[in-house]
Amino acid sequence: EAQVTQNPRYLITVTGKKLTVTCSQNMNHEYMSWYRQDPGLGLRQIYYSMNVEVTDKGDVPEGYKVSRKEKRNFPLILESPSPNQTSLYFCASSTLKEQYFGPGTRLTVT
Amino acid sequence: AQSVTQLGSHVSVSEGALVLLRCNYSSSVPPYLFWYVQYPNQGLQLLLKYTTGATLVKGINGFEAEFKKSETSFHLTKPSAHMSDAAEYFCAVSDLNDYKLSFGAGTTVTVRA
Repeated sequence: EAQVTQNPRYLITVTGKKLTVTCSQNMNHEYMSWYRQDPGLGLRQIYYSMNVEVTDKGDVPEGYKVSRKEKRNFPLILESPSPNQTSLYFCASSTLKEQYFGPGTRLTVT
Repeated sequence: AQSVTQLGSHVSVSEGALVLLRCNYSSSVPPYLFWYVQYPNQGLQLLLKYTTGATLVKGINGFEAEFKKSETSFHLTKPSAHMSDAAEYFCAVSDLNDYKLSFGAGTTVTVRA
């Protein structure tokens, strides 16, 4: 079954404490991306990756890092989280005509 | 980059009434078009998509959308609302040969009994 998994699903943390949200796909897709969802703003792309070791900024990359060491994994790293990064995060794995979204990670930074 | 506008952040309909959610995009070149639904505390589910071919697209749960190139629109409709349709709906577009999705701000649908 085609699947994108994210962990953790829920996370409450404090300002400045580094965290990583993992994302994994089983479809051998080259393109993966991260989005954040905020009320009234829809989903906005944070970072994307066209292939292993190839990553680039999306529309709202400030405060985030990513890595793509393996094709299946695309972790999102917040090295010093701040309250304005409280949001719902989605990982996606895509072809040109189809996107597969993970279940989402709800992050609260206090 | 694509710009997507969803008219109306909240829509309230009576059960059994027509649901109409509006979506306009900015590109002059017809893109790929998508509608997603998000039920409370859940992830995104694809309702329907247009890539090529017939401009009237049928999706799941009785929804359909029509691509109108001249109006740069992709409005979503359902003839008869059900209580289970209460959710947030997102229109999204991607340019041809581009993986990136640009989303609208979303429309929350409330269904009145």
